[in-house]
Amino acid sequence: GAGVSQSPRYKVAKRGQDVALRCDPISGHVSLFWYQQALGQGPEFLTYFQNEAQLDKSGLPSDRFFAERPEGSVSTLKIQRTQQEDSAVYLCASSLEDPPAPAGVTDTQYFGPGTRLTVL
Amino acid sequence: KQEVTQIPAALSVPEGENLVLNCSFTDSAIYNLQWFRQDPGKGLTSLLLIQSSQREQTSGRLNASLDKSSGRSTLYIAASQPGDSATYLCAVSYNQGGKLIFGQGTELSVKP
Repeated sequence: GAGVSQSPRYKVAKRGQDVALRCDPISGHVSLFWYQQALGQGPEFLTYFQNEAQLDKSGLPSDRFFAERPEGSVSTLKIQRTQQEDSAVYLCASSLEDPPAPAGVTDTQYFGPGTRLTVL
Repeated sequence: KQEVTQIPAALSVPEGENLVLNCSFTDSAIYNLQWFRQDPGKGLTSLLLIQSSQREQTSGRLNASLDKSSGRSTLYIAASQPGDSATYLCAVSYNQGGKLIFGQGTELSVKP
């Protein structure tokens, strides 16, 4: 079946431009996560949605970062006035988990291929 | 602060060797721990998930152990193959369905 897809796969932006990154989660997955991965580092949490509700945005590095999931499916991560330090791979993940989950249901997160953002 | 550390940062071994990757976490009150594999330019693939009540999980040539009280996990890879070359990431979650906190990864190279 189809996995998590992200678009574009690569994005080059000039400093100061706005960008929008899209994530299509696995159909039926309730939870959606965004992570930022700098070169040579592990991913770092940005924000989390349960259906259309953004329940945790504590990892967003500044108010230039904004995420939405208006219909509880596709999500968009928007970065305004991009800076060079925003250059990273942005990963989206989805999971089926919908508390309270039945016993034995795992909440494995399934990751997309990521969008590599380069800000010049 | 909840942190995850992986040692070593990079590892190169000849084909056929057994190897161990290490992961430690500062806050032992985890809900679960996962090991992921990441190939260059690709997303993350989940290898093994260990719930906090479990001691180990096995999948094929992979075995992951968890010592929650000491804040440690190991990933054991038996009879390594060149196709195992990738970055291996350890991540913990502190609640059901919660965000993952990742280590910085171990870059593994298996030489033919």
